[in-house]
Amino acid sequence: DAGVIQSPRHEVTEMGQEVTLRCKPISGHNSLFWYRQTMMRGLELLIYFNNNVPIDDSGMPEDRFSAKMPNASFSTLKIQPSEPRDSAVYFCASSLAGRLTEAFFGQGTRLTVV
Amino acid sequence: GQQVMQIPQYQHVQEGEDFTTYCNSSTTLSNIQWYKQRPGGHPVFLIQLVKSGEVKKQKRLTFQFGEAKKNSSLHITATQTTDVGTYFCAGSIRLSSGSARQLTFGSGTQLTVLP
Repeated sequence: DAGVIQSPRHEVTEMGQEVTLRCKPISGHNSLFWYRQTMMRGLELLIYFNNNVPIDDSGMPEDRFSAKMPNASFSTLKIQPSEPRDSAVYFCASSLAGRLTEAFFGQGTRLTVV
Repeated sequence: GQQVMQIPQYQHVQEGEDFTTYCNSSTTLSNIQWYKQRPGGHPVFLIQLVKSGEVKKQKRLTFQFGEAKKNSSLHITATQTTDVGTYFCAGSIRLSSGSARQLTFGSGTQLTVLP
C-alpha cells in the first residue's frame, strides 16, 4: 500500500496566484481530512469529507479556500488568491471510518507564498 | 470553542529519563488519539483511547484516559534518542448540533532526548 499521496511536496508561489494541492487517499478509506500546520497555530483541521461529501468545513479559514472530492480516490484543496499568511505545511489524511478511527497522514505539501 | 490544551510545550530529557505529556479538554471527549511527528515528517498514529479510565501500553509507552474523559497522558519510560519528535493528542467531541464530531489537536509537546 502506497499510503496517502500528496502532490506537490513543495510549492512556492507569488501572492495572488491560485494554488491547488492534491491528495490521493488510501484505497478503501471513506474519510478524508485536510490539515494545515504552522508554528503559530499548530495543526488545524480545515475540512473533513466522508464518502466524498464535506461533513465539517468549519476550519476553512475563509472563502479563498475551497476543497473538493470528486471521487473516492482524489481530493483537492485550492487557495485563490493566495496570500503570504497561507504559508504552511498542508497535510491530507484518510481513515477507514471517520474521526473515531486511525488517520493516516500524507507527507504534506510545504507551501510558501511570497 | 473547543480546545485541547497540551503541556508542556517543550521537554528536554537525558537519555534514559522518563517523559510525560498531558492533555486537558474543557469538554468531555468521545475519544482521544495520540500521534508522533518526527522533525520534518508527518504525524503518525500511535493509539486511540475510548473508555473512561482506560490504560494502554506499547512497550515503553503508557497511555491513560481520565475517568471523566477530559484528560489524557502519554508516559515514556527510559527515553531513547529514537523517541525524539513532537507528540500530539487529538480529541473528538460531539458538536452541539449532535451531527458530527470535531477532531481537535493539542499544540503538541516537542521532546528532545540528549544522548
